Amino acid sequence: QVQLVQSGAEVKKPGASVKVSCKASGYTLSSYDINWVRQAPGQGLEWMGWMNPNSGNTGYAEKFQGRVTFTGNTSASTVYMEVKSLTSEDTAVYYCTRRLSWFDYWGQGTLVTVSS
Amino acid sequence: DIVMTQSPDSLAVSLGERASISCKSSQSILHISNNKNYLAWYQQKPGQPPKVLIYWASTREAGVPDRFSGSGSGTDFTLTISTLQAEDVAVYYCQQYYIKPYTFGQGTKLESK
Repeated sequence: QVQLVQSGAEVKKPGASVKVSCKASGYTLSSYDINWVRQAPGQGLEWMGWMNPNSGNTGYAEKFQGRVTFTGNTSASTVYMEVKSLTSEDTAVYYCTRRLSWFDYWGQGTLVTVSS
Repeated sequence: DIVMTQSPDSLAVSLGERASISCKSSQSILHISNNKNYLAWYQQKPGQPPKVLIYWASTREAGVPDRFSGSGSGTDFTLTISTLQAEDVAVYYCQQYYIKPYTFGQGTKLESK
């Protein structure tokens, strides 16, 4: 069955970077775009951007341009999201999700806490 | 960007009763070429990722109970739960996947009365 398994929770200081992994199983990673969505505590869902694991093409929501990078390793069936220059506003659960057209499978989420 | 606006923000319904959530998009998300509305509904329970319930505005995902239904076209959409069950208590989000950025509504918290 299709699964997206993300790396574990992270605690970072302001100004640091974090890299979250998302490992796909049960299907061929390169067949579908992976999107990233975040959710601040008690808040709604915010789309961050997408990556095509086959071509390596990426796209980012305007507010994340220049600070977020998506990469992938198709041989490891894994995609990565890196966020730089973290602030307290980046404290959130980050989800990877497979895009069929809608988002049909989701990772379990990775909590990133930014605190001094 | 397409703005998705849900109403109400929260809703309390008695078990066994009907619940309806509205979602409006700031521009049409009906694609003329295929006559499909690029609208999905998700359910999120505490500590869990969202789960897709409905896509193409009215197509139920496999395994989703038939008490969940979606309707609407263009800019106005509705998620209806015909008879609320205890396990339906959750936050519900609509999302447009018509054009990037793929935007979500702010969410509707559904509780039992």
